Amino acid sequence: EVVMTQSPATLSVSPGERATLSCRASQSVSNTVAWYQQKPGQAPRLLIYAASTRAAGIPARFSGSGSGTEFTLTISSLQSEDFGLYYCQQYNKWPRYTFGQGTKLEIK
Amino acid sequence: QVQLVESGGGVVQPGKSLRLSCAGSGFNFSNYAIDWVRQAPGKGLEWVAVISYNGKKKYYGDSVEGRFTISRDNSKNTVYVEMSSLRPDDTAVYYCVREDGWHYFDSWGQGTVVTVSS
Repeated sequence: EVVMTQSPATLSVSPGERATLSCRASQSVSNTVAWYQQKPGQAPRLLIYAASTRAAGIPARFSGSGSGTEFTLTISSLQSEDFGLYYCQQYNKWPRYTFGQGTKLEIK
Repeated sequence: QVQLVESGGGVVQPGKSLRLSCAGSGFNFSNYAIDWVRQAPGKGLEWVAVISYNGKKKYYGDSVEGRFTISRDNSKNTVYVEMSSLRPDDTAVYYCVREDGWHYFDSWGQGTVVTVSS
């Protein structure tokens, strides 16, 4: 099983600042990584797929990068609606999908 | 627009069974694989099962293998998961998810809550 490890567990950032979330895979997954955002009481929402492609309707302040085992989600200028939980997921080892444990992005 | 609506959740005793349904609309349902992903209270996301677009391929996570059965009826645009021998650690919100052809999850339902408790 591919283990996805996210860091940090919690990230405190002020509105308008930049946030950088990391995700590491226990083995190479090429670029088959997706990022999801989840707000309290809601279902997750796809933000990024193929490590760096924004999903439909996702603002340009969200960007993804990485390949192999190291991946990053960057939010360039945090808005109030961006706070919540973020999960990375690998889909390289179909159908044995695995998620990271999540990063909580909170207001500083 | 793409919509996935889960139903069938509830409170069930350990060892009993429950069937969840997922109804899709706003897209060509029979062209897509559908997955179930669950989230235990206060925990992260866990992939549970997937069924291919035509129902011929089915795969399960290790924690539910042998206890859960996924199926679909494309004439009704619906996917099911029959859950048996339920355990307290199956307690979770269960999400129905559309899988893009490249295998990421591009649409999620709102979830249905399953509580396994005596």
